[in-house]
Amino acid sequence: AQTVTQSQPEMSVQEAETVTLSCTYDTSESDYYLFWYKQPPSRQMILVIRQEAYKQQNATENRFSVNFQKAAKSFSLKISDSQLGDAAMYFCAYRTDSGYALNFGKGTSLLVTP
Amino acid sequence: GAGVSQSPRYKVAKRGQDVALRCDPISGHVSLFWYQQALGQGPEFLTYFQNEAQLDKSGLPSDRFFAERPEGSVSTLKIQRTQQEDSAVYLCASSQYQGPSYGYTFGSGTRLTVV
Repeated sequence: AQTVTQSQPEMSVQEAETVTLSCTYDTSESDYYLFWYKQPPSRQMILVIRQEAYKQQNATENRFSVNFQKAAKSFSLKISDSQLGDAAMYFCAYRTDSGYALNFGKGTSLLVTP
Repeated sequence: GAGVSQSPRYKVAKRGQDVALRCDPISGHVSLFWYQQALGQGPEFLTYFQNEAQLDKSGLPSDRFFAERPEGSVSTLKIQRTQQEDSAVYLCASSQYQGPSYGYTFGSGTRLTVV
């Protein structure tokens, strides 16, 4: 079975601080793609960042960066200079070359306090 | 349109009723996906279309669930004889590409409540 584990149901961060959301996954495939999605109360899933497993360099998108450890099957998301608008559910997901489905974790609820 | 549009936004159905959920993907997007998101959970894959061809329906939970995309654009997810366990948010997503390396654009979903 292919699974994604997000061990932190809830996280809290103060505005302007840095927070890291953890994610581990399990797949026997060697080629796959990793994603972090944000889901605000509007329910629309918004792509935050993506990483190709064959790339060793960690992806970065403005204040968002990942720490990808392929051997450990770990894919954490770091949010720097947190803003009130970052408050949402965050989902880690992956998709393999051989399949069509995005496999999601259960999510982490991020609260940003002033 | 500019994004993926889903309708209705909310649907309340009596147990045993049939429902149809609509997804309008971004124009020209080849790939279309349906996901089911139960309360407090991550989305679970239901089915995938490449143009009008349904290439993967392995996630459909029972034969009461049926999806179609007859002209390769708008898609409909139909649930027959709804049960309480069908209560969830149903998300549609589309992608310009067929490959797995790109993220998808999601709609805001339809929240189905079966009473």
